[in-house]
Amino acid sequence: AQSVAQPEDQVNVAEGNPLTVKCTYSVSGNPYLFWYVQYPNRGLQFLLKYITGDNLVKGSYGFEAEFNKSQTSFHLKKPSALVSDSALYFCAVQGNGGFKTIFGAGTRLFVKA
Amino acid sequence: GAGVSQSPSNKVTEKGKDVELRCDPISGHTALYWYRQSLGQGLEFLIYFQGNSAPDKSGLPSDRFSAERTGGSVSTLTIQRTQQEDSAVYLCASSLDLVGRTYGYTFGSGTRLTVV
Repeated sequence: AQSVAQPEDQVNVAEGNPLTVKCTYSVSGNPYLFWYVQYPNRGLQFLLKYITGDNLVKGSYGFEAEFNKSQTSFHLKKPSALVSDSALYFCAVQGNGGFKTIFGAGTRLFVKA
Repeated sequence: GAGVSQSPSNKVTEKGKDVELRCDPISGHTALYWYRQSLGQGLEFLIYFQGNSAPDKSGLPSDRFSAERTGGSVSTLTIQRTQQEDSAVYLCASSLDLVGRTYGYTFGSGTRLTVV
């Protein structure tokens, strides 16, 4: 069965500092991995995906994520955080041959000015 | 439409009543998904419609829950005999490709259901 773990309920970072939001997954076969963001009072938005190829994928708003097969991780990163990045972030996985996407519990990111 | 539209945005119902939640996906999107987001929880998969194929209902929590998608477009999620544990935000999403891998899912703003 597919599963996603986001070990941190909340991440706090100062504006201008790098940020990392952690995600690990469990899936049969090759994983398809995604990050979504939910800003206050707004719907979930697609940020980026890993399907195949380069382990470092780039997405919207300057975010990137690194796929690590041996550690079954897909951590979200940004070199310099903005206050406007404060939101709820969800990691998600889809298994090879499966069509439903399983989401993690979410990590709330607070960026302080 | 320009985005995924869900109605109503808020619904308060009495325990035991039936409710219908509506989702209008982006025109041309072939796949449609329903998820449930409870307070402090992640997104719980409910059901997936893929083109003209039979839906994947594996996430529906009980037989009180059902969904249909008419004409490959609008979808309705029905909850019969609502219980307090059904209170949550019900999210609908659609995707251009059949599995949402190319462009991801586009989510609606959700319906907040409160059962009192």
